[in-house]
Amino acid sequence: DGGITQSPKYLFRKEGQNVTLSCEQNLNHDAMYWYRQDPGQGLRLIYYSQIVNDFQKGDIAEGYSVSREKKESFPLTVTSAQKNPTAFYLCASSILGTADKETQYFGPGTRLLVL
Amino acid sequence: KQEVTQIPAALSVPEGENLVLNCSFTDSAIYNLQWFRQDPGKGLTSLLLIQSSQREQTSGRLNASLDKSSGRSTLYIAASQPGDSATYLCAVSRVGSARQLTFGSGTQLTVLP
Repeated sequence: DGGITQSPKYLFRKEGQNVTLSCEQNLNHDAMYWYRQDPGQGLRLIYYSQIVNDFQKGDIAEGYSVSREKKESFPLTVTSAQKNPTAFYLCASSILGTADKETQYFGPGTRLLVL
Repeated sequence: KQEVTQIPAALSVPEGENLVLNCSFTDSAIYNLQWFRQDPGKGLTSLLLIQSSQREQTSGRLNASLDKSSGRSTLYIAASQPGDSATYLCAVSRVGSARQLTFGSGTQLTVLP
């Protein structure tokens, strides 16, 4: 089945620890995105990538880092500099074609909790 | 800066009712507007996409309209069912922003049997 997988489903972070969230897609999509969702709020863009080895900051990139070494993979690292990391993290991907026809496909999400 | 607002934040209706969810945005320079569904603790599922040149889109019991000049969209759900219970999010794709989506905070819908 084609789709987007995220792991783990739940992740616990200790103070001062960096943690990495995995996102993999087998849809052959060019672009990948990371969003953060806080309770009762919409999604906010952290980072996005339109091509391998290139990525751009979104609205709330501070305290996060990403890499895009393969087209299928876009891992997100939550660093110790992110002081309020507790949230639901969603990964998405899309084809880069005609902008007005593009939609994004989302993974099942990872819930990050701080111990 | 693009801002997206959804009203109401929560809605509870009896089964069988027709209902309307509202979405407004501040900048009309968009590629498209999209409606998504999110079940508790899950990812988002795309429901409808309206291109900036279109006025509406339909899929089954769902109909979404777009009035770009006034910065408004509505999602109409006909003959609601308990299975429609979820949070509905609208998002706009901003021109000149590399296809970034700006999301509203969602409307949490509960359809009572």
